[in-house]
Amino acid sequence: QPVLTQSPSASASLGASVKLTCTLSSGHSSYAIAWHQQQPEKGPRYLMKLYSDGSHRKGDGITDRFSGSSSGAERYLTISSLQSEDEADYYCQTWGTGSVVFGGGTKLTVL
Amino acid sequence: EVQLLESGGGLVQPGGSLRLSCAASGFTFSNYAMSWVRQAPGKGLEWVSVISGSGGSTYYAASVKGRFTISRDNSKNTLYLQMNSLRAEDTAVYYCAKYPVTIPNDAFDIWGQGTMVTVSS
Repeated sequence: QPVLTQSPSASASLGASVKLTCTLSSGHSSYAIAWHQQQPEKGPRYLMKLYSDGSHRKGDGITDRFSGSSSGAERYLTISSLQSEDEADYYCQTWGTGSVVFGGGTKLTVL
Repeated sequence: EVQLLESGGGLVQPGGSLRLSCAASGFTFSNYAMSWVRQAPGKGLEWVSVISGSGGSTYYAASVKGRFTISRDNSKNTLYLQMNSLRAEDTAVYYCAKYPVTIPNDAFDIWGQGTMVTVSS
């Protein structure tokens, strides 16, 4: 069962870009993950599935401002042209058959 | 439009029981595995339980195994979570989530809005 590690917080200015990181535990660097966004007082929303080769599959209606990339055991979510509505918690998720693991989440503040 | 709508949350005493429901619409419910995920106040997401599209396979987190039961009625497009022997640490918003596949081995692609469960005397 992999462990996913995320920084608790991040911040960036309105209009800038930010790169969030999700790190897979040792021995699990080939795993795909998913990124989910949770705006305040709302349910989570699926953003994308991200593979170890950096390819990704976005959810319906997800803006091109969100992109994903990978390097070794690290999976990244880059948000460009930050907007106020991007202020949210971001969770990474991975899985096995019948099991699910979440990272602790990163709280993104848009300055 | 694909939608998941949870209901059944509320205030219950420690040791009590509660049944949550998740009504699905906008897709062929029986084709997809489903899951329950919870979030304690101010905390992150915690996976609770998973069921395959047919209902024939179920899986549970260690924290709820033996106390919670996941089930589904594909004729009613509804997912359930029967929660027994509730504890204070079960207090959370409970979300249902959909897989894009029949077997639960992928990312969630649709989430509901959640229903709050409070366990307190």
